[in-house]
Parts: sequence; C-alpha cells; structure tokens
Amino acid sequence: EVKLVESGGGLVQPGRSLKLSCAASGFSFNDYWMGWVRQAPGKGLEWIGEINQDSSTINYTPSLKDKFTISRDNAQNTLYLQMSKLGSEDTAIYYCARVFWGAPYWYFDFWGPGTMVTVSS
Amino acid sequence: DVVLTQTPPTLSATIGQSVSISCRSSQSLLDSDGDTYLNWLLQRPGQSPQLLIYSVSNLESGVPNRFSGSGSETDFTLKISGVEAEDLGVYYCMQATHAPYTFGAGTKLELK
Repeated sequence: EVKLVESGGGLVQPGRSLKLSCAASGFSFNDYWMGWVRQAPGKGLEWIGEINQDSSTINYTPSLKDKFTISRDNAQNTLYLQMSKLGSEDTAIYYCARVFWGAPYWYFDFWGPGTMVTVSS
Repeated sequence: DVVLTQTPPTLSATIGQSVSISCRSSQSLLDSDGDTYLNWLLQRPGQSPQLLIYSVSNLESGVPNRFSGSGSETDFTLKISGVEAEDLGVYYCMQATHAPYTFGAGTKLELK
C-alpha cells in the first residue's frame, strides 16, 4: 500500500525557518518524481514544486523559489521541504504527493494527509 | 502563469442528479507533443485531495464511472452522472502543461 506521511509542521515565528519531511512507503521511492502542494486555511490548492528521481531536476513556483528548497533522500525514502523567511502568508496545510509522469500523463496519484504550519508570533 | 477558471463556484445537487463543472484555461493546455495535462481532483471535507480524472478524460483506477471528463485546449468539463452522497466536497482542475502548474479555485458540491 502506498503511504505518504508528512511531519515537521507546527507553530513558528515570522522570519524563522522550518523543515518538513514526508516519509514514503509501499512503493519504490527512487522511481518517482515527488511534489509539494499547500493549502491556506479555507483556500484552494497551490503547487509549490517538484523533484525528480535523482534530484537533478527541481522545479518551483516562481514566487516561492527563493524561500523554499525541495530535496530528497532516496536511501531514507524521504522527501523534504526546507522553508525559510516564513511569513503569515505561509500558514497552510502542506501536502506531499507522488507524481506519475510518463507522456501523455502527468498527475499526482497519491497524497499524504498533510501537516499544518502556522506562522505567528 | 496559467489561470484556470472554474464555474460554478458552488453547485447544489440532489442525489441522482447529473451535474457538470467547467474549467477554462487562460491559454491552451495542448503541449508541443500533442499532450494535454489537465486533471481533476476531489477534496472531501477534512481529507486530502484525491485524483479522479487525468489527462482530460482518463478515469483513475477505483473511481466510479459516473465521473467523466472531456474537453480540449482551453475548455474542459467534469461530469457526474448521478450524484451520490460520497461525491460531496470541492472539485479542482489542475494543469501541468505549463510551469508553474496551477489549480482552479475549486467548485464546492453541496446537497440541495
């Protein structure tokens, strides 16, 4: 069974940094692109970025590129999201998701339950 | 960035009713290879999103066949043929043809 579990969320002060993790199991982690999506309270979904199997390609939404860093450890089957200079606008549920990509298909086929990040003093 | 406009923002339906959701893109989602990366997701209350339809019209495994997708280039539609109670939630279209990938604002399906 494919399982994704995010962790590392919580309350953080403005301007500080936080690193989220996503533990993957039930599939061959190093065969898949992975991605991060966030959802502010009561709002819609926002794509943060994605990383390929060997970390040689990492794509970000431009507005977050200078604040967020996506990485992965294939030996630990874990995806990471390093967030810096956090502001109230970063308060959201953060989801990791597995990417299925093989033309003509690209989609998120499995999602984690999400981890809540609250930025507040 | 590609803007996906979903209509209506809210949809009230009775059980058994058929409904449609529109997703219009600010630019064509047909890429240079002739592929269209437009997906539909459902987020039930308190849950993570789940994939329903990928690449316009392909039904994800395990998703009931009352869901169907259609469209091309800039106009796409998700149809539910006979709403059931478990279908309630927010529906999102998402495009992955043009980076950065973007989602529609969502359509909330409620019981009338």
